[in-house]
Amino acid sequence: GAGVSQTPSNKVTEKGKYVELRCDPISGHTALYWYRQSLGQGPEFLIYFQGTGAADDSGLPNDRFFAVRPEGSVSTLKIQRTERGDSAVYLCASSLGGVGDNEQFFGPGTRLTVL
Amino acid sequence: RKEVEQDPGPFNVPEGATVAFNCTYSNSASQSFFWYRQDCRKEPKLLMSVYSSGNEDGRFTAQLNRASQYISLLIRDSKLSDSATYLCVVRRGSGTYKYIFGTGTRLKVLA
Repeated sequence: GAGVSQTPSNKVTEKGKYVELRCDPISGHTALYWYRQSLGQGPEFLIYFQGTGAADDSGLPNDRFFAVRPEGSVSTLKIQRTERGDSAVYLCASSLGGVGDNEQFFGPGTRLTVL
Repeated sequence: RKEVEQDPGPFNVPEGATVAFNCTYSNSASQSFFWYRQDCRKEPKLLMSVYSSGNEDGRFTAQLNRASQYISLLIRDSKLSDSATYLCVVRRGSGTYKYIFGTGTRLKVLA
């Protein structure tokens, strides 16, 4: 079956611009996670959704970052007034959700470069 | 100090060798523990969960020591295909499904 997909695969933008990154989770997965990974580092937690609601957004670095999941499926990570330090690979993962630890399935990521 | 710490390596080992990685976590309320594998420029994939009693999956053995707050991964009879970065992952505590990843330990298995 189809895995987690993310678009675009690469995004180059200029400092100060607005970007949107999209994640399509595996069908039927109620939990969705966003992570950010810089070179040589592990994925850094940003936010996770259970259904439509953000269950924990404590990893969002500041108010320039926002994520939505209006229908409990596709999610969009939005970054306003991008800065060079936002350059990283943004990973999305989904899992069955509910109670208990379920395997997270990751998408291939979006590589964001802020010039 | 990072919440989940790993030696970044690289660990360069010959084929057939046994190699062990450790990971320490600082939050004593951490609930669940995992090892993920990440190939170069690819997404992470679950390798195995780590249980208190220790668990084995083929050539891979994971151990958890809650008292000392560390997790280990042992790989026996290393294969070239085991070359990857191994990420230690901890769920922060009850009431949240927030997962904290370590920096990862890079393994290179040499022919």
